[in-house]
Amino acid sequence: KNQVEQSPQSLIILEGKNCTLQCNYTVSPFSNLRWYKQDTGRGPVSLTIMTFSENTKSNGRYTATLDADTKQSSLHITASQLSDSASYICVVTTPPSGGYQKVTFGTGTKLQVIP
Amino acid sequence: NAGVTQTPKFQVLKTGQSMTLQCAQDMNHEYMSWYRQDPGMGLRLIHYSVGAGITDQGEVPNGYNVSRSTTEDFPLRLLSAAPSQTSVYFCASSWASGGPTGELFFGEGSRLTVL
Repeated sequence: KNQVEQSPQSLIILEGKNCTLQCNYTVSPFSNLRWYKQDTGRGPVSLTIMTFSENTKSNGRYTATLDADTKQSSLHITASQLSDSASYICVVTTPPSGGYQKVTFGTGTKLQVIP
Repeated sequence: NAGVTQTPKFQVLKTGQSMTLQCAQDMNHEYMSWYRQDPGMGLRLIHYSVGAGITDQGEVPNGYNVSRSTTEDFPLRLLSAAPSQTSVYFCASSWASGGPTGELFFGEGSRLTVL
């Protein structure tokens, strides 16, 4: 069964500190992996996308890595800010079949940044 | 562009009542979908559509109906609400085949409580 597992389930860090969130997946075949940020009471918003050939991609203070061989991804947040408090969801997508792609969601990591 | 618009944001129903959650997008996306998000679980696909007049079931379709008469609108109907349908519902859209990046665009969510 295609699965996406994230760890830790929740995390509390001090403002200004760095943190790394993990995502392991068994989804196959693989098309791409996205990290979404979901603020409380809002819909998820895409942060980064990683395709099979990409190892690292940055978006400001967010850096995502992908190891397609071990089927692992990480999201590193540098110099955290209070506005980084949110849930981060790892989403793995298969190549299009029958006109659309299949998407598998992780359960998310809830990050709280405290002053 | 407004993106994906969901209404209502909050709704309380009594068991057995019916209602419709509205979803509209202005990005001319072929693919639209409904998810429910429950604590400790990833987003789960209820129903999806790859174009006007075409709908199909997702992972958890029981108790829900959808229709797609236009490209822009994709309403979700609860036929006879049950407490197990208490959840946060998200509508999302994208290019049907995922387009160049496969990003899903989410609405702000509709929080439903069934008493």
